[in-house]
Amino acid sequence: QSVLTQPPSVSAAPGQKVTISCSGSSSNIGINYVSWYQQLPGTAPKLLIYYDSERPSGIPDRFSGSKSGTSATLGITGLQTGDEADYYCGTWDSSLIAGVFGGGTKLTVL
Amino acid sequence: QVQLQQWGAGLLKPSETLSLTCAVYGGSFSDSSWSWIRQPPGKGLEWIGEINHSGITKYNPSLKSRVTMSVDTSKNQFSLRLTSVTAADTAVYYCARVIWGIRGLIVRVKYYYIDVWGKGTTVTVSS
Repeated sequence: QSVLTQPPSVSAAPGQKVTISCSGSSSNIGINYVSWYQQLPGTAPKLLIYYDSERPSGIPDRFSGSKSGTSATLGITGLQTGDEADYYCGTWDSSLIAGVFGGGTKLTVL
Repeated sequence: QVQLQQWGAGLLKPSETLSLTCAVYGGSFSDSSWSWIRQPPGKGLEWIGEINHSGITKYNPSLKSRVTMSVDTSKNQFSLRLTSVTAADTAVYYCARVIWGIRGLIVRVKYYYIDVWGKGTTVTVSS
């Protein structure tokens, strides 16, 4: 049971937009920044978003992040088949004194 | 550019001790914290803990009694030991670099994220 809650799967057609939600609490998302990771099949996760909405160098602006209260959202526009992957949110939990992740969301580009 | 190379035994029997090491190449070993994260087959990511160059550690409360992390600054390496393993510890284990701190002068908000990941080591626990 993950501390952060994500939908198990989302899907959309190529070229469309999709959003992935991440729900937490007042001890994690509510007070700390959120990060997002993309994990392509058989590979290590890769940082997509940090500071809730900042993209590392090299990450296209098709990927965006936002946060409101104790929930965060990853948005992906102009979907490509290469975006098919598992996506994870993460943050620090100040009550647990530990890093925490969501359970992951599998994106299918139909 | 920081790169992480990890290694360790991939097949263990129940009750044995898991031991993994991660070497850091490039960047400053002393300026960062270092973490271990695992992923059971078909499941999500689980934070195991972190250690800094001074050896100060934080562990996942659910694993704390079995986990020990250590650091060798002379070799730019950090290690993970997990005792009394069971089948539930079967997973891909990743070493990683942690970026963390506090932003803001009036409203101070903590940031904590992983910006560099090792390739992962598959550890299987089976009798």
